[in-house]
Amino acid sequence: GESVGLHLPTLSVQEGDNSIINCAYSNSASDYFIWYKQESGKGPQFIIDIRSNMDKRQGQRVTVLLNKTVKHLSLQIAATQPGDSAVYFCAENMGDYGGATNKLIFGTGTLLAVQP
Amino acid sequence: ETGVTQSPTHLIKTRGQQVTLRCSSQSGHNTVSWYQQALGQGPQFIFQYYREEENGRGNFPPRFSGLQFPNYSSELNVNALELDDSALYLCASSFSTKGDIQYFGAGTRLSVL
Repeated sequence: GESVGLHLPTLSVQEGDNSIINCAYSNSASDYFIWYKQESGKGPQFIIDIRSNMDKRQGQRVTVLLNKTVKHLSLQIAATQPGDSAVYFCAENMGDYGGATNKLIFGTGTLLAVQP
Repeated sequence: ETGVTQSPTHLIKTRGQQVTLRCSSQSGHNTVSWYQQALGQGPQFIFQYYREEENGRGNFPPRFSGLQFPNYSSELNVNALELDDSALYLCASSFSTKGDIQYFGAGTRLSVL
């Protein structure tokens, strides 16, 4: 079935450390993946995306790694700050799946707690 | 801010009632998707609208329906509300229907009593 899952529901890190959030996906045909950050009371905020023809993409303080062999995705946050505390979701873009295009399949999320 | 606005922010209804939620898409975006997010879970795809037509649907019953208007804004209608419909309803807009970033609004928190 369709699913995108996260290994760690809660991740606690010290301010200044690097954070790594992991995600497994199930559909080997998926070709587009997105990471979102959701703060309490807000909608998901786009962080970074990656297409299946890449295995790494970098943004400002964030890096996404894609391993298609094991269907694994990770988000690395450098020098984690208190403002990074939020729930992080990976999402799989199920283009043309079941007739729906641009359909996102989300995992349950990982809560990142940054300790000062 | 994403430029996607939703109204109202909060809503309380009773079982059996009907509700309409509204969404204004980001300027230049012609595709709107709706998601339901239960507490502690990831968003679940309800349906997508493109050029005023439904362009795909998730595993939601027909009492969940929608509209998209010529200015690309959208409505989500839910009839015969059930307690399990209590959730955060999110609207996302994108530039097209294929492989584009979806930008989310802040959502409407619906409570069904």
